[in-house]
Amino acid sequence: SYVLTQPPSVSVAPGQTARITCGANNIGSKSVHWYQQKPGQAPVVVVYDDNDRPSGIPERFSGSNSGNTATLTISRVEAGDEADYYCQVWDSTSDHPVFGGGTKLTVL
Amino acid sequence: QVHLVESGGGVVQPGTSLRLSCAAAGFTFSSYGMHWVRQAPGKGLEWVATISSDGNKKYYADSVRGRFTISRDNSKNTLYLQMNSLRAEDTALYYCAGPTTVITTYLKYWGQGTLVTVSS
Repeated sequence: SYVLTQPPSVSVAPGQTARITCGANNIGSKSVHWYQQKPGQAPVVVVYDDNDRPSGIPERFSGSNSGNTATLTISRVEAGDEADYYCQVWDSTSDHPVFGGGTKLTVL
Repeated sequence: QVHLVESGGGVVQPGTSLRLSCAAAGFTFSSYGMHWVRQAPGKGLEWVATISSDGNKKYYADSVRGRFTISRDNSKNTLYLQMNSLRAEDTALYYCAGPTTVITTYLKYWGQGTLVTVSS
């Protein structure tokens, strides 16, 4: 099965840029989606198809995907961005979503 | 507006069964694949099962294959998860999520989840 690897945690000061990676073999050939999950809440899509944002998601959230690494970039980080972030791709051989292990973003 | 509302969770003993339901509204339910995703306490998201729009194709995580069955009733806009032979490690918040197509492969909508606790 396809495995997505994320760092367990990332820390950043307010106003700085946070980068959360999602690694997998040739992930650049797939569409990568990113979810934000705050405590006690369901996940919310913040980036889909590598670098598209749903309506209502700030432009500070962006994504990139190439080679073996996809990256979620959060610019001008705010305290309210503190959350768990998950990457997801579609396993076309088994026809189901695959999630990364999640990254806890801490705003210092 | 899209709504996904799960129900059916509870506290059960190991080896018993439970049936989860997810009532969908706000989109053409019968046109999309749907999914169950779970999250154990303090852990990450784990995909559990997927069903095609017509219900003919079903896919399961190795951890639940043979014990869980996903199904849907398109006339009632409802998704189900029949869980048998429950184990302590099945304890989790179970989310209904979707919808997906061959083009739209992200889970745009999620319910609030229903908690399943397996304990003796």
